[in-house]
Amino acid sequence: KAGVTQTPRYLIKTRGQQVTLSCSPISGHRSVSWYQQTPGQGLQFLFEYFSETQRNKGNFPGRFSGRQFSNSRSEMNVSTLELGDSALYLCASSSTGGLDYGYTFGSGTRLTVV
Amino acid sequence: AQKVTQAQTEISVVEKEDVTLDCVYETRDTTYYLFWYKQPPSGELVFLIRRNSFDEQNEISGRYSWNFQKSTSSFNFTITASQVVDSAVYFCALRTNSGGYQKVTFGTGTKLQVIP
Repeated sequence: KAGVTQTPRYLIKTRGQQVTLSCSPISGHRSVSWYQQTPGQGLQFLFEYFSETQRNKGNFPGRFSGRQFSNSRSEMNVSTLELGDSALYLCASSSTGGLDYGYTFGSGTRLTVV
Repeated sequence: AQKVTQAQTEISVVEKEDVTLDCVYETRDTTYYLFWYKQPPSGELVFLIRRNSFDEQNEISGRYSWNFQKSTSSFNFTITASQVVDSAVYFCALRTNSGGYQKVTFGTGTKLQVIP
């Protein structure tokens, strides 16, 4: 069974640019969540999608957006990149997103903004 | 508001020593789940265990054991006879249903280094 796949693994962008990250959940999983991990802030929740609908959102500016497709694949977009957006972005999937389910995480996309 | 505190930032132990990673949580919800994840250098978080708020039974899985105590809001994780492969960052997480929305809060992680 394939795991959660995130592409690309590494990305270098310039301030002001925009970036799109992709996440393919485990087959059959309908819930996809995104997290930002930085040394200073730890793991911070960005948003969760379930059946193409954003179900939950963290405290990030509107520059951070996402979407989910009918096949449950999800994309995250960050516009007008800032140096502080440099981080490891992790995607996690679960079958229903129910309270008792643990996540399965991808290996992440490491974004560097220069 | 909910919170997860992992007071130990970094721990170093010599191989074969036992080590306990502490996790203290705060929540007003009566129904919640607690998790431990391991993040090796490769970056991928690996799910280790989940425990619901109604089940205070401690658990042992091989060299891993977990001690859940609601009275002290703690969910500690012990590795017995540590090995170099245990070196990683370990995260404790709390999952609740707040206002109809799932909310997951991670602790800041404890970096464990096992020295051969």
